[in-house]
Amino acid sequence: GAGVSQSPSNKVTEKGKDVELRCDPISGHTALYWYRQRLGQGLEFLIYFQGNSAPDKSGLPSDRFSAERTGESVSTLTIQRTQQEDSAVYLCASSPRTGTSGNTIYFGEGSWLTVV
Amino acid sequence: GENVEQHPSTLSVQEGDSAVIKCTYSDSASNYFPWYKQELGKRPQLIIDIRSNVGEKKDQRIAVTLNKTAKHFSLHITETQPEDSAVYFCAASTGSNYQLIWGAGTKLIIKP
Repeated sequence: GAGVSQSPSNKVTEKGKDVELRCDPISGHTALYWYRQRLGQGLEFLIYFQGNSAPDKSGLPSDRFSAERTGESVSTLTIQRTQQEDSAVYLCASSPRTGTSGNTIYFGEGSWLTVV
Repeated sequence: GENVEQHPSTLSVQEGDSAVIKCTYSDSASNYFPWYKQELGKRPQLIIDIRSNVGEKKDQRIAVTLNKTAKHFSLHITETQPEDSAVYFCAASTGSNYQLIWGAGTKLIIKP
């Protein structure tokens, strides 16, 4: 695709339910990031995938959060037993190279999650 | 680890005037400094970046300057226009660390 694709674009869920958010990176991009952005706030790093290396999960806020990526393609972020404080935009981003700095990262439009 | 501080958190300027946003970083090994613009309800998008072997870079009305000694870099927007209203994020990363460390963002308001 032309850009990073995320789905769903909007999700309203009841407290306690599980949600899955999907990210399809730009073709050929080996690096993939998930960020959380609460309303009016900055970018909170969650997790990073780099090719076939073990992901950097240091930003995941609790064990309710997990993410998977199959090879260098689609990634899924799962939030279990959602809480109201999980309400935010979840942004996925991808980058064309691995292991080096100085690579532009491209963001998707985000998945807007509202927990009621 | 790296820490990036961004100031001011909100900046209001008259249309046509210049705007300057400044970021400081802590890791002297950082060598890549991008700036992203995020319009309301939209995704962040790269507007300009600079690497540590360069002191200044310009692209039309925007420019970024880097002072490695003082460990700060700044975004300059000249002849501001209403469409410049957005939140601007700076970031820094090192050659040994793929991670971009982000500033907290600056909300730029252009007054007509």
